[in-house]
Amino acid sequence: QVQLEESGGGLVKPGGSLRLSCAASGFIFGDYYISWIRQAPGKGLEWISYISARGTTIYYADSVKGRFTISRDNAKSSVYLQMTSLRAEDTAVYYCARESSKEGVVVTRVFDYWGQGTLVTISP
Amino acid sequence: DIQMTQSPSSLSASVGDRVSFTCRASQTITNYLNWYQQKPGKAPKLLIYAASSLQSGVPSRFSGSGSGTHFTLTINSLQPEDFATYYCQQSDAIPWTFGQGTKVEIK
Repeated sequence: QVQLEESGGGLVKPGGSLRLSCAASGFIFGDYYISWIRQAPGKGLEWISYISARGTTIYYADSVKGRFTISRDNAKSSVYLQMTSLRAEDTAVYYCARESSKEGVVVTRVFDYWGQGTLVTISP
Repeated sequence: DIQMTQSPSSLSASVGDRVSFTCRASQTITNYLNWYQQKPGKAPKLLIYAASSLQSGVPSRFSGSGSGTHFTLTINSLQPEDFATYYCQQSDAIPWTFGQGTKVEIK
């Protein structure tokens, strides 16, 4: 079955760095885009980045552009999020999610599988 | 960026009730609208895609409608396992954006 598992979260001081990993299994990893989505405590969902299947197309939300870097290793079925210059407002649960195309009245992109999330806390 | 606004932010309902809540986009997104359910401490789960298509395995009491800028998620005959927070998400343009959520609570 499809599984995504995040790791690498923890407590970091403001200005620090952290690298999150997302290990995937149960599907042909190199065929899918992967996104990172975060959720601050008690708040809603915020998409922050995606990487295309071959890693040739990458996008970031403005809130993390220039500070976060997404990458992938298809041989290891893994996606990474390198986070630098961390701020208190980056405190959140970080999810990786598989993006798929689904056909309804339009062909739309969806997050059809999610990991369980990893907590990143930025605090002095 | 496309802003997504959900209303209400929360509602109270009883088992067996029919509930509906809305999601509005700041610009037209045709039918590029998805709905997710999230329970406390869990990852979101895809319910509805392309505004009205039911994801495989999701009970038929869930339905979605709308197009353009105004969308609705309806749950017919609310079940105990449906008490959760529901998010809409547009997939029309990067950055993908979510609504702030509607929390369905037990009355």
